[in-house]
Amino acid sequence: ETGVTQTPRHLVMGMTNKKSLKCEQHLGHNAMYWYKQSAKKPLELMFVYNFKEQTENNSVPSRFSPECPNSSHLFLHLHTLQPEDSALYLCASSLGTGKSDTQYFGPGTRLTVL
Amino acid sequence: GESVGLHLPTLSVQEGDNSIINCAYSNSASDYFIWYKQESGKGPQFIIDIRSNMDKRQGQRVTVLLNKTVKHLSLQIAATQPGDSAVYFCAENGGAQKLVFGQGTRLTINP
Repeated sequence: ETGVTQTPRHLVMGMTNKKSLKCEQHLGHNAMYWYKQSAKKPLELMFVYNFKEQTENNSVPSRFSPECPNSSHLFLHLHTLQPEDSALYLCASSLGTGKSDTQYFGPGTRLTVL
Repeated sequence: GESVGLHLPTLSVQEGDNSIINCAYSNSASDYFIWYKQESGKGPQFIIDIRSNMDKRQGQRVTVLLNKTVKHLSLQIAATQPGDSAVYFCAENGGAQKLVFGQGTRLTINP
């Protein structure tokens, strides 16, 4: 256990559905991240939040909408996704956003878009 | 531009042997590097890191070597065990907040 939990672990949705991914960290960290992991591709950073404020949006399409109500919780709201959005979505947290602030990852949500 | 790459996508070793996983990076300004291990069904797990002012750093059964001249990073695992089977990622952090990950090497342990 890394102290970062994600729910659900698996999600299947149609292109017209709206769903949300949830991440919670129990580490007292201030920064949280969303990553996308596709088959045979490096991890791609999507969003960064630091003290609840979004500090990075890595050119992510608007059908992905993050929300960070507090430093312990991070959501990723999904709507009108495409089949190519099927991937493992990983949440991470770190104490701060400095270079040497180790990021701790959750187990991920395996998303399949039909 | 930034890129982090791995020399081999797969590596098979005998149980008990040493494993060496390699990684190349292109950003000469990168000054902090991390190795992560990802087991099936889990997220990446931090293994060891190294700053650019060091050439070598040792952990428990793992050693990371950094060669800044050729922009090369390696992870050595001593006495490889079945539990070491996983995908190993190198990552560099040349700027705050942004980890750039390599594609990963799958390590398979043969009994």
